[in-house]
Amino acid sequence: EVQLVQSGAEVKKPGESLKISCKGSGYSFTTYWIGWVRQMPGKGLEWMGIIYPGDSDTRYSPSFQGQVTISADKSISTAYLQWSSLRASDTAMYYCARLSVHSSSWRPFDPWGQGTLVTVSS
Amino acid sequence: EIVLTQSPGTLSLSPGERATLSCRASQSVSSSYLGWYQQKPGQAPRLLVYDASNRATGIPDRFSGSGSGTDFTLTISRLEPEDFAVYYCQQYGDSPRTFGQGTKLEIK
Repeated sequence: EVQLVQSGAEVKKPGESLKISCKGSGYSFTTYWIGWVRQMPGKGLEWMGIIYPGDSDTRYSPSFQGQVTISADKSISTAYLQWSSLRASDTAMYYCARLSVHSSSWRPFDPWGQGTLVTVSS
Repeated sequence: EIVLTQSPGTLSLSPGERATLSCRASQSVSSSYLGWYQQKPGQAPRLLVYDASNRATGIPDRFSGSGSGTDFTLTISRLEPEDFAVYYCQQYGDSPRTFGQGTKLEIK
């Protein structure tokens, strides 16, 4: 069974750094693009970016370029989303999700992780 | 960037009725690379339809997708109680990939 398991909820202060994780299992981690989606409280889904763990090729939405860093460690089948300096506006649920077909970046997300809630408050 | 506009914002129907959800793109979606997701409260989204008209694995046949170019539709033929949720469309044929703002399907 393909599974994506995300790290637990985080509570941080503005200006702090953070790295959340998403561990894939049940498939070849290096041959599927994996990405991140933001959902702010009570709002819709926003596509942040994707990474190909095989060679770390990364694509960002212009809205998130320079605001976050997406990375992956293929040795432990884990993708990451990190911030160097959090803001209150980063408060949201963050989902990781794998693209549905191996090797192609032009595919929908399927399946999804369970989500990681990030709360940034002073 | 392709902007996806979903309508209506909220749809109030009863179990057993037919639901028709619309997703309109600001420009043509390449290769009909348009998907639909369902999200229930407190849960992650789930892929229902990909490439505009193909049901994802395990999705009941009461869900169907259609459309091409800039106009796409998700139809639920006979609503079951578990179908009341928020539905999102997403295009993945152009960069950046984008989502629509969602349609909430609520019980009337």
